[in-house]
Amino acid sequence: QKEVEQDPGPLSVPEGAIVSLNCTYSNSAFQYFMWYRQYSRKGPELLMYTYSSGNKEDGRFTAQVDKSSKYISLFIRDSQPSDSATYLCAMSGSPMLTFGGGTRLMVKP
Amino acid sequence: EAQVTQNPRYLITVTGKKLTVTCSQNMNHEYMSWYRQDPGLGLRQIYYSMNVEVTDKGDVPEGYKVSRKEKRNFPLILESPSPNQTSLYFCASSRSQTGSGTDTQYFGPGTRLTVL
Repeated sequence: QKEVEQDPGPLSVPEGAIVSLNCTYSNSAFQYFMWYRQYSRKGPELLMYTYSSGNKEDGRFTAQVDKSSKYISLFIRDSQPSDSATYLCAMSGSPMLTFGGGTRLMVKP
Repeated sequence: EAQVTQNPRYLITVTGKKLTVTCSQNMNHEYMSWYRQDPGLGLRQIYYSMNVEVTDKGDVPEGYKVSRKEKRNFPLILESPSPNQTSLYFCASSRSQTGSGTDTQYFGPGTRLTVL
């Protein structure tokens, strides 16, 4: 079993929809939780990070962490075609960063 | 402009022919690492370095070598490449150890390697 599980998708939604992306994990030592966005033919870029449990909002994006369930989510409101990318969750509690496999999101105009 | 650069961006080679992928950052970051990205497996860390002359193995170090002689450079060396090392490789850097909250990890543009 992988330490971090993420549905690969693809997830296809119409423009304006609310998108929910999720990851589950098994390592209780993880303390930092991040979401990266990766456009085609580009390196990942940090979108949001959260420390421990709770919610964090940044514009149209909301990250949630539930450590008791070992479950993290990223919500995108009013999704735009420019949000079409692969979203990778990542977690850390050590010098190494562990990534999920990524979910490919397609937002159709 | 703050950036991580990698060269080459694309490389096709043959089994056993030694190659080096260079990585350089201009942000004076202490922490650098190499990842490979494969379909369905996501990003997996190969090696990381917490400072000059300090390197350590990640999840998938077999078949790879690294060196950190200068703070800005962190080359990835494949002494005898094999077809199972065909992958997309990313170099990344950050101010300190990975995942420390606000310490953003910056990724390079990637190197697509094909080993025949």
